[in-house]
Amino acid sequence: QKEVEQNSGPLSVPEGAIASLNCTYSDRGSQSFFWYRQYSGKSPELIMFIYSNGDKEDGRFTAQLNKASQYVSLLIRDSQPSDSATYLCAVNTGNQFYFGTGTSLTVIP
Amino acid sequence: DGGITQSPKYLFRKEGQNVTLSCEQNLNHDAMYWYRQDPGQGLRLIYYSQIVNDFQKGDIAEGYSVSREKKESFPLTVTSAQKNPTAFYLCASSEAFPYEQYFGPGTRLTVT
Repeated sequence: QKEVEQNSGPLSVPEGAIASLNCTYSDRGSQSFFWYRQYSGKSPELIMFIYSNGDKEDGRFTAQLNKASQYVSLLIRDSQPSDSATYLCAVNTGNQFYFGTGTSLTVIP
Repeated sequence: DGGITQSPKYLFRKEGQNVTLSCEQNLNHDAMYWYRQDPGQGLRLIYYSQIVNDFQKGDIAEGYSVSREKKESFPLTVTSAQKNPTAFYLCASSEAFPYEQYFGPGTRLTVT
């Protein structure tokens, strides 16, 4: 069983819509959870992190964590073409980080 | 500017040669990491270090070596023993809890 699982997509949404990205993890001892955006050929950029159950909002981004269900999600409101990228979910468990394989998002103008 | 630098951006080597990738950070982070990324795959951990002069193997350490003589620097050597060295190599560092991890720009290594 993979540590972190994401739907690979591709996920397509129209400009202005809400994009919803999901991630599940296997280790109940995981402490903190991250969403990275990665443009093609570039390194991952941290856009959100969360470590308490519930929602955390930052601008157009909302991260949601449900530790009982071992589920993390990222909502992107008012999606823009510049949001088109691969989104990586990462989980910190002790000294290590585990990454999903990423969800490819395309925002259609 | 605070951040992580990696050099070179692109690196080409012949099979059988060792090559060293540079990683420097001025974020004053204690922990540093090396990952490789292959097309269609997630990031895989090669080595990590939480303090100077100490480091641990990650999931795919075979064929790689590291050193951590200074807090700011964590170079990675890809040895000739690494069977498939062509990949995108990413260095990262993180602070204490909640362990926000930041990445450098990466080095794309091609071995022929």
